[in-house]
Amino acid sequence: EVQLVESGGGLVKPGGSLRLSCAVSGFTFRRYSMNWVRQAPGKGLKWVSSISSSSSDIYYADSVKGRFTISRDNAKNSLYLQMDSLRAEDTAVYYCAAQMPDTSSLNYWGQGTLVTVSS
Amino acid sequence: SYELTQPLSVSVALGQTARITCGGNKIGSKSVHWYQQKPGQAPVLVIYSDTNRPSGIPERFSASNSGNTATLTVSRAQVGDEADYYCQVWDSTTAWRVFGGGTKLTVL
Repeated sequence: EVQLVESGGGLVKPGGSLRLSCAVSGFTFRRYSMNWVRQAPGKGLKWVSSISSSSSDIYYADSVKGRFTISRDNAKNSLYLQMDSLRAEDTAVYYCAAQMPDTSSLNYWGQGTLVTVSS
Repeated sequence: SYELTQPLSVSVALGQTARITCGGNKIGSKSVHWYQQKPGQAPVLVIYSDTNRPSGIPERFSASNSGNTATLTVSRAQVGDEADYYCQVWDSTTAWRVFGGGTKLTVL
């Protein structure tokens, strides 16, 4: 059974930091590009960042570039998102998602972890 | 950056056919994916690469993509199909994944 389990969310003050983790099982993690997608309360899906299977290609949305860092550990089947200089507008549910090989579609999703940035 | 436009809402009578559009400049030249998201749940991929259904997705879900519009079609709509639907493409200029704003499907 495919499982993606996010953790690390919570309440943080503006300017603070959080590190999200995504533990993966049920498929060959090292072969998949991975993504973080977020959803603000009552809003739509917004892509945040992606990392290729070997970590050679990394991309960020403009809204988080310079503040967030995506990484992965293929030996641990884990994906990470280091979030620094957090702002109120970063408040959202953060999903990790696996990208289907040879397409840009996201075929496996975690259940999400809520990040709340508030004083 | 590339933008995708979806209607905020679409309504369909029970058992009828719903069509949800996704507009973008020359979207027909891109590969479009569609996701279904029910309240409190993670998104689920229902169509990938314009017309393909992942295993487990009913044949009632189909899609097309041409010109400046991609369309998700839900045939014989059921109450269980009520959800938000999002289209998504990959923008080759920026390497960003881009989502449409989402469409709420209501089955009457």
